[in-house]
Amino acid sequence: DQQVKQNSPSLSVQEGRISILNCDYTNSMFDYFLWYKKYPAEGPTFLISISSIKDKNEDGRFTVFLNKSAKHLSLHIVPSQPGDSAVYFCAASTGGANSKLTFGKGITLSVRP
Amino acid sequence: DAGVTQSPTHLIKTRGQQVTLRCSPKSGHDTVSWYQQALGQGPQFIFQYYEEEERQRGNFPDRFSGHQFPNYSSELNVNALLLGDSALYLCASSWGYEQYFGPGTRLTVT
Repeated sequence: DQQVKQNSPSLSVQEGRISILNCDYTNSMFDYFLWYKKYPAEGPTFLISISSIKDKNEDGRFTVFLNKSAKHLSLHIVPSQPGDSAVYFCAASTGGANSKLTFGKGITLSVRP
Repeated sequence: DAGVTQSPTHLIKTRGQQVTLRCSPKSGHDTVSWYQQALGQGPQFIFQYYEEEERQRGNFPDRFSGHQFPNYSSELNVNALLLGDSALYLCASSWGYEQYFGPGTRLTVT
């Protein structure tokens, strides 16, 4: 039972363009959402998060949008850089701080020079 | 400021053996969570420790157990290893909503 779904396994984007990574969830109790980036042979690195009381959060080149009615969130990277090439995981939690994270399967982003 | 550290980096064990993995949290973090990441999958929550007690547990059998020490470091123990336990084991520490991950321990069971 996949509660967090990243349905596109991969995405290829030209350097300088926008990357849009999508994530859907089924559990309406999720109240906090996070994006992580993972390079090979490293652990996931926290990128950006959003609370369910907001619909947008921005941090530099990264913006996360949350559409609660559609149970959908997306990560926008503008402009995309070759160093952004990695696996991106969407994660969700419920129950406040330090709650367990439920992850999607990840999307492999390739940014072409 | 050191981030989350894990040891060992890689480990090869035989079916039926037992293994212990170690984690030191980020400075100032008091909560440690363990995740298992199988190939091609996202990390799956095993359990979480806070104040030396198991606070939350995922859908993993009792062969998986853990411990947290007074300095907040933690161990993950797996008994009676199965081939299916081969995975990347990730430790994460937190003091709030965001969890910060270590580099992981790659366990191979043969």
